[in-house]
Parts: sequence; C-alpha cells; structure tokens
Amino acid sequence: NAGVTQTPKFQVLKTGQSMTLQCAQDMNHNSMYWYRQDPGMGLRLIYYSASEGTTDKGEVPNGYNVSRLNKREFSLRLESAAPSQTSVYFCASKRDSLYGYTFGSGTRLTVV
Amino acid sequence: GQQLNQSPQSMFIQEGEDVSMNCTSSSIFNTWLWYKQDPGEGPVLLIALYKAGELTSNGRLTAQFGITRKDSFLNISASIPSDVGIYFCAALNYGGSQGNLIFGKGTKLSVKP
Repeated sequence: NAGVTQTPKFQVLKTGQSMTLQCAQDMNHNSMYWYRQDPGMGLRLIYYSASEGTTDKGEVPNGYNVSRLNKREFSLRLESAAPSQTSVYFCASKRDSLYGYTFGSGTRLTVV
Repeated sequence: GQQLNQSPQSMFIQEGEDVSMNCTSSSIFNTWLWYKQDPGEGPVLLIALYKAGELTSNGRLTAQFGITRKDSFLNISASIPSDVGIYFCAALNYGGSQGNLIFGKGTKLSVKP
C-alpha cells in the first residue's frame, strides 16, 4: 500500500524552464491537493480537485496549472519557472468523510 | 479569510519534559487535526478530533478540541529525541463548499538529548 507517491523527489530548474510534478494515490480517494511549503509560511494550497474532472484554485495558484488525469493522478505544471517558486511541494489526497489528508513525501524544487 | 494561529513557533526542550502547543482561530470549525512532519518527509496525521470538548490520546500525545470550537491543544508527555519535527494544527469546516483543510504555520520542536 504505497499511499501517495510523488515524483521527482528533487529537481533543479533554470528560470523560464517548464516541468510537471507527478502525483498518484492508490487509496481510491476522490479529493486531491497540491500544497507548497516555505519556511515560516506553513502549508499553502495551490490547487485542488474535489473529484475526477474538476479542479479549483487554492490560495496561491499563480504560475501553476494542474491536470486531474484520472481518479489516481493529479499533476502540477510550472510553465515558466521563477525563483519565487523554489519550495517544497506536497501532494495530498482525502477520503470524502471527516478524515484528514494523506500526504506524499514531497518534491524539493529549486529554481535558479 | 479563515486563519489558524499556532503557538509557539518553535521550542527547545529537555528530553523527558512535557510539551504543550495550541492553535486558535476567530472562526468556528467542526474538525481539528494535528499532524507531525519529520525532516524531509510529508506531514503525517497524529490525532483527529470531531467533537467540541473531545479529549483524545495517541500514546504520549493528547489533544483536545476546544469547547468553543475555535481552538485546539496538543500535549506531548515525556518527550524523546524522535519527537523532533514540525507539528501542524489543521481545521476543517465541512460546511464550506469543498471542505478543505486550513493549516497553522507549525510549531518546530527540537529536543536536547
């Protein structure tokens, strides 16, 4: 039972490059989320998907796009990376109940 | 928007000491959760609270859902080195459109061996 799997674990990009962060869950959860974590800022929601085929903006969506490919997979794309997007990115999923989220182990992204 | 104020931001404690941290808000929530994040990992759920006044334990951890529904507390008894990490409170108001969690900014716990 892998839970939430994120790839890659580490990435260095040059300013202006694009990349896609991948996330997959094997728990049959409907809801999936992308967060970024910066020192002293806690976890800030970028985008979320309440169900397959739907996506919505969170607190800090600018500079990002998402795709809910199917029920299992939710990807985050940076079209033109900027140094301000240097962060640790976490994907999470949730059962449609009172339970909390299950998080992946994160992608550490550096934009130079 | 809704906000969770978590304190303290960080703390150093001696091994064996008890630890207390809390989370407050001006908003009412229906669910409070506490997560722990080990260095280099994602947050892991420790305790979930679903009822005002509820007191729940998980080993050396005890958490309470405040009676006003605007706060929650986490206590760690007899701390050990593996308690090091960042503790996040989170709250959920499933009366909202999506029922998304709101997170506090975290309490960084460091233990002196």
